[in-house]
Amino acid sequence: QKEVEQDPGPLSVPEGAIVSLNCTYSNSAFQYFMWYRQYSRKGPELLMYTYSSGNKEDGRFTAQVDKSSKYISLFIRDSQPSDSATYLCAMYGAYNFNKFYFGSGTKLNVKP
Amino acid sequence: DSGVTQTPKHLITATGQRVTLRCSPRSGDLSVYWYQQSLDQGLQFLIQYYNGEERAKGNILERFSAQQFPDLHSELNLSSLELGDSALYFCASSVEAGRGAEAFFGQGTRLTVV
Repeated sequence: QKEVEQDPGPLSVPEGAIVSLNCTYSNSAFQYFMWYRQYSRKGPELLMYTYSSGNKEDGRFTAQVDKSSKYISLFIRDSQPSDSATYLCAMYGAYNFNKFYFGSGTKLNVKP
Repeated sequence: DSGVTQTPKHLITATGQRVTLRCSPRSGDLSVYWYQQSLDQGLQFLIQYYNGEERAKGNILERFSAQQFPDLHSELNLSSLELGDSALYFCASSVEAGRGAEAFFGQGTRLTVV
């Protein structure tokens, strides 16, 4: 079983839709959760960073962590064609800051 | 521009060969991470260096090695290359060893083994 599972998609939505991207994980020691956005052939770019459970909002993006279910989500409101990219979740535990566990990424396509 | 520079951008080489990928971290960053991204595996953590010393090891093959030099740039050496080593190799850097969450990625080196 992989440490982090993420639906690869592709996910195709119309412009203006609310997008929900999700990851599940198996290691209850994970405490730090991140979402990265990766445009084609570019390096991943950090979007959101959350610690432990709860919600964090930044503009049109909301990150949600449910540690009891081992489930994290990224919501994108009013999606734009420029949001079309691959979204990767990543996480690590306090016992080992340096080793990230990445999901395989979900490819999102926002149609104008 | 993240400030992390990777060279070369593209590399095509034959099986059995050896290549070196180079990474210059952001100014002031002491920690460097190497990742491999292939189509079927997603982003895989390979190894991390902090101020010249190895700090963490991930799924790095014995044929692969890395080092970080006194000027903090890092090199990833891949030897006895196989077709399956074809992938994007990313370098990331951060200020502190424990603050990997704020790592900034370079644009990657696309390695094709033929």
